Amino acid sequence: AQKITQTQPGMFVQEKEAVTLDCTYDTSDPSYGLFWYKQPSSGEMIFLIYQGSYDQQNATEGRYSLNFQKARKSANLVISASQLGDSAMYFCAMSLNNNAGNMLTFGGGTRLMVKP
Amino acid sequence: EPEVTQTPSHQVTQMGQEVILRCVPISNHLYFYWYRQILGQKVEFLVSFYNNEISEKSEIFDDQFSVERPDGSNFTLKIRSTKLEDSAMYFCASSASTSGGLRRTDTQYFGPGTRLTVL
Repeated sequence: AQKITQTQPGMFVQEKEAVTLDCTYDTSDPSYGLFWYKQPSSGEMIFLIYQGSYDQQNATEGRYSLNFQKARKSANLVISASQLGDSAMYFCAMSLNNNAGNMLTFGGGTRLMVKP
Repeated sequence: EPEVTQTPSHQVTQMGQEVILRCVPISNHLYFYWYRQILGQKVEFLVSFYNNEISEKSEIFDDQFSVERPDGSNFTLKIRSTKLEDSAMYFCASSASTSGGLRRTDTQYFGPGTRLTVL
């Protein structure tokens, strides 16, 4: 079964600095997708960025980029120029190609706190 | 921008009562999902649904749970006899495609959630 690990339960970052949130995954399947979601204190889950296992380039979406290292099975989220509004929980998730229903498996999350 | 909506935002019920959580997925999406998040814990998959059938379900999704697409826009989750441990945030999600994450259109967009409190 697939597994997602986020080893940083909480992190601080100074406003305007960059921060990296770690995510490692465990699967023997070569075909999968990786997703990052943001959950602010209001509770909703906001999609941030996607990386497919066969994508040749690392994904970028505005201030978000994904440092995808397939051999190491890691998909770290990089947030550049942190803003106070980035303070939230961040979840890494994976979907496998052999899942009929496209279910997402989530990591335990990292709470990011941006200091002014 | 299209979004997934959920009602109610908060539901309080007595143990043993039936609850129905409602969702309106993004209009051109064909694949629908329910997840739950117990307070302070990770998000857990419950069920996926396509073409009026369940595609996949987790061990959590037992006989007390059911899903339905009663019309062209709504997608519902019913819990027949609620237990204290059903207290959680329930998220509905939808996607345009499903290829196990190989396409960006597999991205699941989540609704704002329904917080269910069972007393």
